[in-house]
Amino acid sequence: GAGVSQSPSNKVTEKGKDVELRCDPISGHTALYWYRQSLGQGLEFLIYFQGNSAPDKSGLPSDRFSAERTGGSVSTLTIQRTQQEDSAVYLCASRPSGGGQETQYFGPGTRLLVL
Amino acid sequence: QKEVEQDPGPLSVPEGAIVSLNCTYSNSAFQYFMWYRQYSRKGPELLMYTYSSGNKEDGRFTAQVDKSSKYISLFIRDSQPSDSATYLCAMSAYNNNDMRFGAGTRLTVKP
Repeated sequence: GAGVSQSPSNKVTEKGKDVELRCDPISGHTALYWYRQSLGQGLEFLIYFQGNSAPDKSGLPSDRFSAERTGGSVSTLTIQRTQQEDSAVYLCASRPSGGGQETQYFGPGTRLLVL
Repeated sequence: QKEVEQDPGPLSVPEGAIVSLNCTYSNSAFQYFMWYRQYSRKGPELLMYTYSSGNKEDGRFTAQVDKSSKYISLFIRDSQPSDSATYLCAMSAYNNNDMRFGAGTRLTVKP
């Protein structure tokens, strides 16, 4: 079956512009995560959606970052007024309801470069 | 101090060597421990998953957890060039959220 997909694969933008990154989770997975992976750094948790519950936004680094999940499926991560330090790989992962950490699957990521 | 420490390498070994990858952590509440493999330009994929202390073996891979020392290891026997990737450790206190990742160790296995 299809895995987690993300688009675009690569994004180059100018400092100050807004960007939208998309994640299509595995069908039926109710939990969805966004992570950021900077060069030489581990994955940094950004935000977590679980079903219809309020998202856990505790990892968002600033108010320039926001995410939404429509219809419990597709999610969009938006970064406003991008800065050079936002350059990183943004990874999305999904997990089925009731599944443990071992059932979390990652997408290939979106590589963002802010010039 | 980071919650999870992992030597980023890079680590280069000849084909057939035994590889040892390690992470240390500071949060004694961590109970679930995972190793992910990440190929270049791909997302991480789960390699090993263990709960609490002890060893777990899967083919050429063995994961060890020593909670008393807050130290986890991944051993790769008879390493192959196809094992060349970045290996990330991850851990959490609960089995449903809030994983903490190491920085990843970049491994190259030379034929």
